[in-house]
Amino acid sequence: ETGVTQSPTHLIKTRGQQVTLRCSSQSGHNTVSWYQQALGQGPQFIFQYYREEENGRGNFPPRFSGLQFPNYSSELNVNALELDDSALYLCASSLGLAGDYEQYFGPGTRLTVT
Amino acid sequence: SQKIEQNSEALNIQEGKTATLTCNYTNYSPAYLQWYRQDPGRGPVFLLLIRENEKEKRKERLKVTFDTTLKQSLFHITASQPADSATYLCALGEDSNYQLIWGAGTKLIIKP
Repeated sequence: ETGVTQSPTHLIKTRGQQVTLRCSSQSGHNTVSWYQQALGQGPQFIFQYYREEENGRGNFPPRFSGLQFPNYSSELNVNALELDDSALYLCASSLGLAGDYEQYFGPGTRLTVT
Repeated sequence: SQKIEQNSEALNIQEGKTATLTCNYTNYSPAYLQWYRQDPGRGPVFLLLIRENEKEKRKERLKVTFDTTLKQSLFHITASQPADSATYLCALGEDSNYQLIWGAGTKLIIKP
């Protein structure tokens, strides 16, 4: 086990609604990254937070937003849900910025948008 | 255009043999390359990281190579076991930004 937890495990939402996904990083990890993984694909980088500041963003619209808190927890918020947002959402914590540090992943939240 | 390619077809290997997985990239200049294992319904698990100035890295039965001329990384599992069956993902990172860019993964099946 990586020590990274996510909640909820599964979630079903309706198009247009808003959702908040939560992640608890490993203690001492000052960096958290969020990814979207569609079935049969690799994770797609959404954004990364370092010491509570956004530090890098992938090709995702502004309706995807996040927060990182001092207690090693973080949130991913998605507004105005679309059907294509259905995916596995993963958070990963690390000791530093992504490229040069191993990522410790949580089990993911499976989001279904109907 | 930029892309990372891993074998989309599943790789079937007999138990005890060496499994070799390929990660090719185009129009990237990676400073790091990472390999992960992912089991169904679970998050990826880190296996190995190799830097651009390293040719080879080993960890127990695992070995990864990184050839910046061929723009390719190879991942080897020696003495493969059925428990090694999983999807294996490669991810690269560039110095110009901090995000990891991921391949789609290769499903490895080790047959007893």
